[in-house]
Amino acid sequence: ETGVTQSPTHLIKTRGQQVTLRCSSQSGHNTVSWYQQALGQGPQFIFQYYREEENGRGNFPPRFSGLQFPNYSSELNVNALELDDSALYLCASSLELAETYEQYFGPGTRLTVT
Amino acid sequence: QKEVEQDPGPLSVPEGAIVSLNCTYSNSAFQYFMWYRQYSRKGPELLMYTYSSGNKEDGRFTAQVDKSSKYISLFIRDSQPSDSATYLCAMGDTGNQFYFGTGTSLTVIP
Repeated sequence: ETGVTQSPTHLIKTRGQQVTLRCSSQSGHNTVSWYQQALGQGPQFIFQYYREEENGRGNFPPRFSGLQFPNYSSELNVNALELDDSALYLCASSLELAETYEQYFGPGTRLTVT
Repeated sequence: QKEVEQDPGPLSVPEGAIVSLNCTYSNSAFQYFMWYRQYSRKGPELLMYTYSSGNKEDGRFTAQVDKSSKYISLFIRDSQPSDSATYLCAMGDTGNQFYFGTGTSLTVIP
């Protein structure tokens, strides 16, 4: 069984640019959640996707958007990057929406905005 | 006020000690409670989850939830150097959006 994978591992972008981060969920998992983890902080919920539809969003502006594909892989897009967007971006998958409490995280993508 | 409060530590204990990690929360609607372990530069790893109140044990780990006090705990018995990591509590009410603590950094000294 393959775990959650994310790409790229690291990324450096300039303020104002756009970025796309990718996540492949664990085999058989149809629910993906994205989190932002700033240095020294706990993960903050960005949004969740279930069967290609957004199912809940945290306190993040619209320039954070996402997609989920028919194979349940997912993308996180961030437009107009700001310095404060520098963080570890984590995705987590769960077998079903009702079992999000049992979610499994990928290793994350470390984004640095300069 | 933050949804979840967690003492960041750092916490340093000798090998074999019992470790107690705690979180408090403000939202009485929370009913899903999780503990994660995060090694440096890795994603969080789910250790245990509990629904509503009560205790749950898994090997050397015991999770306790006291909803009346809005307080949850994770106990680690016979701590090992490999337990050295950051421990995150997480909780939620609806089952899809979870609030994390800032994490407690634990070092177990051989």
